[in-house]
Amino acid sequence: SQQGEEDPQALSIQEGENATMNCSYKTSINNLQWYRQNSGRGLVHLILIRSNEREKHSGRLRVTLDTSKKSSSLLITASRAADTASYFCATDHAGNMLTFGGGTRLMVKP
Amino acid sequence: SAVISQKPSRDICQRGTSLTIQCQVDSQVTMMFWYRQQPGQSLTLIATANQGSEATYESGFVIDKFPISRPNLTFSTLTVSNMSPEDSSIYLCSARPVGTLNTEAFFGQGTRLTVV
Repeated sequence: SQQGEEDPQALSIQEGENATMNCSYKTSINNLQWYRQNSGRGLVHLILIRSNEREKHSGRLRVTLDTSKKSSSLLITASRAADTASYFCATDHAGNMLTFGGGTRLMVKP
Repeated sequence: SAVISQKPSRDICQRGTSLTIQCQVDSQVTMMFWYRQQPGQSLTLIATANQGSEATYESGFVIDKFPISRPNLTFSTLTVSNMSPEDSSIYLCSARPVGTLNTEAFFGQGTRLTVV
């Protein structure tokens, strides 16, 4: 079953703009992860943030985690057309299975 | 890291038939997982496949409909049995390496199944 909710469900921006996606979850976690999916293919891991971390960066990606609010955000800076994809957050509760949020469909227009 | 080869990548099947999806991992992994992604939706876990034991199914999924094999630490299969058009989805296998705390999951490229 889905643990989290993501918003927005869909986001359309111009190339060069920043894109922010939010994820909320319900129960305590070991870590939260963000994945990207192109056109219904396999998922690619983007970034993992542990429950004791508040912010993490990887290239143009910035992830924040607020465990008191049970929420996370993914910021993609200076977006490119190639960033067009679906983005999913996934929560890890017990070190085995991941539970995925509903996803955000991002469209970056050139 | 791990690379997962999943096949077939897509198939169109007649209702009432069965399809077996295979996933091969290039390294030994403790846990493998099978997900279903219905059109326009997120991933829903079908079952966890552990080597040497029966798969553990999530609520709403049963072994008779989705039998799973896990004969060794690098391979698993999922069969979608007695298919109906409602089974049309993308099926994804996933694996996490040994010592899974705070590690990423790796995914196959998915099998896009259409049942007609």
